[in-house]
Amino acid sequence: DQQVKQNSPSLSVQEGRISILNCDYTNSMFDYFLWYKKYPAEGPTFLISISSIKDKNEDGRFTVFLNKSAKHLSLHIVPSQPGDSAVYFCAASLPYGGSQGNLIFGKGTKLSVKP
Amino acid sequence: GAGVSQSPSNKVTEKGKDVELRCDPISGHTALYWYRQRLGQGLEFLIYFQGNSAPDKSGLPSDRFSAERTGESVSTLTIQRTQQEDSAVYLCASSFSRGSRDNGYTFGSGTRLTVV
Repeated sequence: DQQVKQNSPSLSVQEGRISILNCDYTNSMFDYFLWYKKYPAEGPTFLISISSIKDKNEDGRFTVFLNKSAKHLSLHIVPSQPGDSAVYFCAASLPYGGSQGNLIFGKGTKLSVKP
Repeated sequence: GAGVSQSPSNKVTEKGKDVELRCDPISGHTALYWYRQRLGQGLEFLIYFQGNSAPDKSGLPSDRFSAERTGESVSTLTIQRTQQEDSAVYLCASSFSRGSRDNGYTFGSGTRLTVV
């Protein structure tokens, strides 16, 4: 049973346009969400996070939006650059002391930004 | 070291052989995690260690998989009698504490295991 879902395996965007990557979750106890970026032959690297007490967090070209009622979050990249081409993983975390404590990852979305 | 180091970076093994994968976490990180990513799949949690506590092994797919970690240092993931479905990239991550929130985990570059 997948608790974190990224339903789009791939996304193609033109350079300069907005990239929107989506993530849905099922467990209402998740209280912290993170996005990771992964290039081929490298490990995932942290990109941006958001606490469940917020609905938006912005860092440069990257903004994460959280809609708790819909159990949905999205990552916006504006403007998209060819160097943003990578696999993006959504991850969710239970409160400290939760059953596992580790991050639960989605399957990832492969973003291709075309020049 | 400055980051999480994994070795080997690539491993090709024959079906039925045992393999051992190594992870050197960031110094001072008390939590260490193993994940794997099979082709076309997401990150699959395998096991995590937190200090000297008993590890959470809930993600290990079978008893052919085991992992050890001494204190807060190196960890080894061992796969016995490898099968073709074990082929994947095995990723190690570490963090300061269980469920670290500020910036998540620091991952290594992974070990690509191919079972032929």
